[in-house]
Amino acid sequence: DTGVSQNPRHKITKRGQNVTFRCDPISEHNRLYWYRQTLGQGPEFLTYFQNEAQLEKSRLLSDRFSAERPKGSFSTLEIQRTEQGDSAMYLCASSASTGKTTNEKLFFGSGTQLSVL
Amino acid sequence: GESVGLHLPTLSVQEGDNSIINCAYSNSASDYFIWYKQESGKGPQFIIDIRSNMDKRQGQRVTVLLNKTVKHLSLQIAATQPGDSAVYFCASGRGGGNKLTFGTGTQLKVEL
Repeated sequence: DTGVSQNPRHKITKRGQNVTFRCDPISEHNRLYWYRQTLGQGPEFLTYFQNEAQLEKSRLLSDRFSAERPKGSFSTLEIQRTEQGDSAMYLCASSASTGKTTNEKLFFGSGTQLSVL
Repeated sequence: GESVGLHLPTLSVQEGDNSIINCAYSNSASDYFIWYKQESGKGPQFIIDIRSNMDKRQGQRVTVLLNKTVKHLSLQIAATQPGDSAVYFCASGRGGGNKLTFGTGTQLKVEL
């Protein structure tokens, strides 16, 4: 399978615990995105990387959230001191930016469903 | 701020009929539009996209229409099949980067 891969698929944690999710983008895709989706809503942008550089973060992203893409390949999203309001589907997407095209379609993974008890 | 909205939360169609899902966007600077299909427990799956320099684009059984004058986007699905049952999202972007803004989605139900 050469699509976007996310692990784990499901995570149940207690409030106050830290969690980390991993995303493996489509190989050779230089852009990687994190989105959050709650039930019945569309995905909300959190942050994105071009290669290893984090280029933009949403104002919705609190200080408890941190994302990394150290080698420009896979990425991790960590949530510290989880709260019940963090319960959501966390989606990763990737795209191949040519630098000349204004927009390119995003390919999404199946997401990590986080439940904070 | 930029927002993207859908007119109908649920659309029911008979198998074989054509489906039309509508979407309105608010930011006139948006220059890229895309439709995704999302099945339960899965991530959004790309259907079709269109840039602002076009007003129509066709794919396999799907057509996207863009009316920039009224900031309206629609997705037409021909000969709707049971496998088309899912939630459909429109999204828009502007400028460089791919920070897409998604709407809330329309649930398409195909009745046999």
